[in-house]
Amino acid sequence: EPEVTQTPSHQVTQMGQEVILRCVPISNHLYFYWYRQILGQKVEFLVSFYNNEISEKSEIFDDQFSVERPDGSNFTLKIRSTKLEDSAMYFCASIEDPWSSYEQYFGPGTRLTVT
Amino acid sequence: AQSVAQPEDQVNVAEGNPLTVKCTYSVSGNPYLFWYVQYPNRGLQFLLKYITGDNLVKGSYGFEAEFNKSQTSFHLKKPSALVSDSALYFCAVRDDNYGQNFVFGPGTRLSVLP
Repeated sequence: EPEVTQTPSHQVTQMGQEVILRCVPISNHLYFYWYRQILGQKVEFLVSFYNNEISEKSEIFDDQFSVERPDGSNFTLKIRSTKLEDSAMYFCASIEDPWSSYEQYFGPGTRLTVT
Repeated sequence: AQSVAQPEDQVNVAEGNPLTVKCTYSVSGNPYLFWYVQYPNRGLQFLLKYITGDNLVKGSYGFEAEFNKSQTSFHLKKPSALVSDSALYFCAVRDDNYGQNFVFGPGTRLSVLP
C-alpha cells in the first residue's frame, strides 16, 4: 500500500539554525499539508499546498517558515532560524483529490529538537 | 470558522467492554468528519469518515461512529474494546465552506485495561 514518507525521523539542531524537513507524498495525490504536534498534544495545522502554491496557512506559519515542491515527488518544510519553541513532531499529509476523496494520509513524522 | 472539541482528555475502559470517545464540532457549512488514531511515536492513522449518507459509519478495526447533526456530535464507538486499542484518538472536521483544511480536536487518550 502506498504511504507518505518523511525524512529524517529525528533532527537535532541548534537555535538559530536552518532546517529542512522532507516529505514524499503518495504519488497521485494532489493536496499536501504540514502539521505540527508538540509533545503528543494537539495536532496544529501549519500550511496546505496545491498546484505548486500555498493554499492556506495558519498564524503559526510566519516568515520563518516556507514550503516548496522542488520536483515531482518531494515536499519540503523549511524553518529559517529555529527557536526552542519549534521543537515538535512535524507531520506531512496528503490527499488524493480533496473534491472527491477526503481522508488525509499522514507520514510517520519528523521529531525536531531545537537546543 | 470550524472547531472541534473532545471533552475527555482520558477514557479508561476494561477490555471487552464497549467504548465511546466523544467529539463535538462547530461549522458554518456542511461538516466532513474524521477519526484518526495515533500510536506512540507514530503518525496519525485514518479510522473512518462521515461525508454524507448514513449517519452510522463503520471503519477500521471494528470502530464505528455516529453522526448526529442536531447535537453536532460524531462520537467514536466500539462494541468490545481490546488492549491494543489503547492509543491517542483525534477527531477532525473540515467545513465545506472553508476550503480543504482540517481542524483537529485536542485528542483523547484511550486506555483499555486488561
